[in-house]
Amino acid sequence: DSGVTQTPKHLITATGQRVTLRCSPRSGDLSVYWYQQSLDQGLQFLIQYYNGEERAKGNILERFSAQQFPDLHSELNLSSLELGDSALYFCASSVRDFYGYTFGSGTRLTVV
Amino acid sequence: DQQVKQNSPSLSVQEGRISILNCDYTNSMFDYFLWYKKYPAEGPTFLISISSIKDKNEDGRFTVFLNKSAKHLSLHIVPSQPGDSAVYFCAISGNTPLVFGKGTRLSVIA
Repeated sequence: DSGVTQTPKHLITATGQRVTLRCSPRSGDLSVYWYQQSLDQGLQFLIQYYNGEERAKGNILERFSAQQFPDLHSELNLSSLELGDSALYFCASSVRDFYGYTFGSGTRLTVV
Repeated sequence: DQQVKQNSPSLSVQEGRISILNCDYTNSMFDYFLWYKKYPAEGPTFLISISSIKDKNEDGRFTVFLNKSAKHLSLHIVPSQPGDSAVYFCAISGNTPLVFGKGTRLSVIA
């Protein structure tokens, strides 16, 4: 157990729907990062939050949004889902910016 | 464009031999380099790192080499063991969120 908890582990949904992925960071970590891993692709950075504030933004689609709550857990919201959004979504946390990531085990999203 | 490239999608090595995984990057501003290992159904786990002020870092069977002039990073595993079979990602930062390569799948054959 890495200490980073992601729920749900698996999600199957239809095109056009909206889902929410949840991440609880390791105790003491203030930064949360979201990454997407599609088939045959590396981990693509989506967005980072640090202590509740958006810190950095990557290749995140406008249909996707995220937030970090006062208890430091984070949610990634994916809407108007398309088949191409099927992927593994990983959350990572760290104490300091950009250093010493600990990853969760991911949420596998399948859009049908 | 890919800032971090792992040009070998897969590698097979005999148990006990050396495994060499390679990674190339484009941005000379990167200053912190890492390798992560990923097993199926698990998240990536940190393996070893090196900062730009060094050219080599060792941790047991794992050694990372950095050639800044060539913008090249490599991971050596000696001796390779069947439990090392996994996908290996190089990751790079320049005071930015980590940028990952696409990974190399290592198979260590007993």
